[in-house]
Amino acid sequence: QSALTQPASVSGSPGQSITISCTGTNSDVSAYNYVSWYQQHPGKAPKLMIYDVSYRPSGVSNRFSASKSGNTASLTISGLQAEDEAYYYCSSYTSSTTLVFGGGTKLTVL
Amino acid sequence: QVQLQQSGPGLVTPSQTLSLTCAISGDSVSSNSAAWNWIRQSPSRGLEWLGRTYFRSKWYSDYAVSVKSRITINPDTSKNQFSLQLNSVTPEDTAVYYCTRDRDASHSRINYFDYWGQGTLVTVSS
Repeated sequence: QSALTQPASVSGSPGQSITISCTGTNSDVSAYNYVSWYQQHPGKAPKLMIYDVSYRPSGVSNRFSASKSGNTASLTISGLQAEDEAYYYCSSYTSSTTLVFGGGTKLTVL
Repeated sequence: QVQLQQSGPGLVTPSQTLSLTCAISGDSVSSNSAAWNWIRQSPSRGLEWLGRTYFRSKWYSDYAVSVKSRITINPDTSKNQFSLQLNSVTPEDTAVYYCTRDRDASHSRINYFDYWGQGTLVTVSS
């Protein structure tokens, strides 16, 4: 099962908005509404930011939003803050009764 | 508040078995809605889902194709924990291993991981 495709890096200035894409196939992203997004700071475990394509867990800022269209899911962070600088990973359930992650995107807050 | 506490050796000899345990507090390994997963992360392979165990009237396990011939994930209801065994390891199995909870799992759904263990760096080397 191939990994989902994410850009290696994105950047933005404080206060700006950025979007990270996550491209899959007809066997994962487009087939199921089980796309999640995780934030990972260096040396820490990933943290769930979005589940079921667009739902935020309790405690996650509403500056984080997400959506899906066809084979591509997207995570948008608005009002960028320095603390948002981290790696972001998407994941999706697949038709093979397995789960696949994206390769990760490094977000730099300039 | 759910907490997952990992334990196990950080160094494993090639061809031997990697064994890790994840102790659960705040939930039950026998939950009828959750599943208990192992995920690893390495620079070369990124994040990789390895497998899960869950209870729905009986115990089930699912494994990633990449490790299916070498992996076993078992629950231990007496200690409210679950374990990972990965046989015949090679240096390619060197990674940080995480145990996680999937709160909303089913036979046809591996969904999202809302709680993670602290991670264990396992190095495969002689």
